[in-house]
Amino acid sequence: NAGVTQTPKFRILKIGQSMTLQCTQDMNHNYMYWYRQDPGMGLKLIYYSVGAGITDKGEVPNGYNVSRSTTEDFPLRLELAAPSQTSVYFCASRGRRNTEAFFGQGTRLTVV
Amino acid sequence: QQQVKQSPQSLIVQKGGISIINCAYENTAFDYFPWYQQFPGKGPALLIAIRPDVSEKKEGRFTISFNKSAKQFSLHIMDSQPGDSATYFCAATGANSKLTFGKGITLSVRP
Repeated sequence: NAGVTQTPKFRILKIGQSMTLQCTQDMNHNYMYWYRQDPGMGLKLIYYSVGAGITDKGEVPNGYNVSRSTTEDFPLRLELAAPSQTSVYFCASRGRRNTEAFFGQGTRLTVV
Repeated sequence: QQQVKQSPQSLIVQKGGISIINCAYENTAFDYFPWYQQFPGKGPALLIAIRPDVSEKKEGRFTISFNKSAKQFSLHIMDSQPGDSATYFCAATGANSKLTFGKGITLSVRP
């Protein structure tokens, strides 16, 4: 069981570059989430999706975009990377509303 | 506006002691309250969760106490062990399906 898989694990970007963080889950979960984790700041929700074709903003969506064309995949797009986007990014999924969320191993992104 | 607030910010406990982490929430529409545990370099993992129709839930050494009127819930770790040293997050969710986390607390259990 792969669960939630994130790629890449590490990435260094230059200011102004763009990239896509990949997230895929094999549990047929409807709900998927993207968080960023900064030291002492907890997990902040960037975007989330309640099913294929449906996405919504979280607490900190600026500078990011998402799409959900399939149940399995929920990629996060960074356009024009900025140093403030240096963080650890986590993708998560869950099957029903009030159930356990499963997290990926994270992507550590540094923007220089 | 922080919808889920944790306290204390850090905690040091001796082996065998009781670790208590508190969480307060503001949105009365929340109806599911999980605690997550995170080890360095890993993603968070569910530890225990509670719904507001019960006041307490126990799983092994871990207990959630829930106070609906005060809009607070807490995690108690009995007989704390060095292996419990980790970051702990409380979270909450409601009908809009957003899963909102607190800032996390670093627990250190001294041998």
